[in-house]
Amino acid sequence: DTEVTQTPKHLVMGMTNKKSLKCEQHMGHRAMYWYKQKAKKPPELMFVYSYEKLSINESVPSRFSPECPNSSLLNLHLHALQPEDSALYLCASSQGVALWEQYFGPGTRLTVT
Amino acid sequence: QQPVQSPQAVILREGEDAVINCSSSKALYSVHWYRQKHGEAPVFLMILLKGGEQKGHEKISASFNEKKQQSSLYLTASQLSYSGTYFCGTGRPSGAGSYQLTFGKGTKLSVIP
Repeated sequence: DTEVTQTPKHLVMGMTNKKSLKCEQHMGHRAMYWYKQKAKKPPELMFVYSYEKLSINESVPSRFSPECPNSSLLNLHLHALQPEDSALYLCASSQGVALWEQYFGPGTRLTVT
Repeated sequence: QQPVQSPQAVILREGEDAVINCSSSKALYSVHWYRQKHGEAPVFLMILLKGGEQKGHEKISASFNEKKQQSSLYLTASQLSYSGTYFCGTGRPSGAGSYQLTFGKGTKLSVIP
């Protein structure tokens, strides 16, 4: 099973809402990632979890809050987002952090109104 | 620092070959290649490591020139299914024993009958 799943597929939220994105993998991977991708742009790294610990936070605003409850799950909690945060949010996982290929989930298309 | 990809876009007829280049101004530890079709997640193609090791799909070939800090992806006898945007990602260690990818802007490949 080389699948990374993400829910929901689409999310529309207001600027005062609180919502969460979920990501799951059952490949035994020990590294998980959140990326943000705007239209016609490359994925931009937001967070890296290695062995369930946050190892990279790429200066992401505090309105984005990641959580890794266990080695298979990764959440991204959203609060007080801005319209410019509208994007495709991709989750990925890899066997290790360094020098391993990453497997991406299908993404959550987020629209902030 | 973001790697530079060239060309930005290329159109091929089925059966033709193409080369996509990726260069960096900083020393490279690894180069990763992904393809993303419209509306889908990026899919891993190839990883090239310092010292010459490669991992990836059998039908994909690539090169990694560590001295020149460049990598090239070779697509031969192109098929319609090769269409998509190709991203190279350059990997580097990043504090606290972690490692991160920075993607180039992408090369849009269109294969026509």
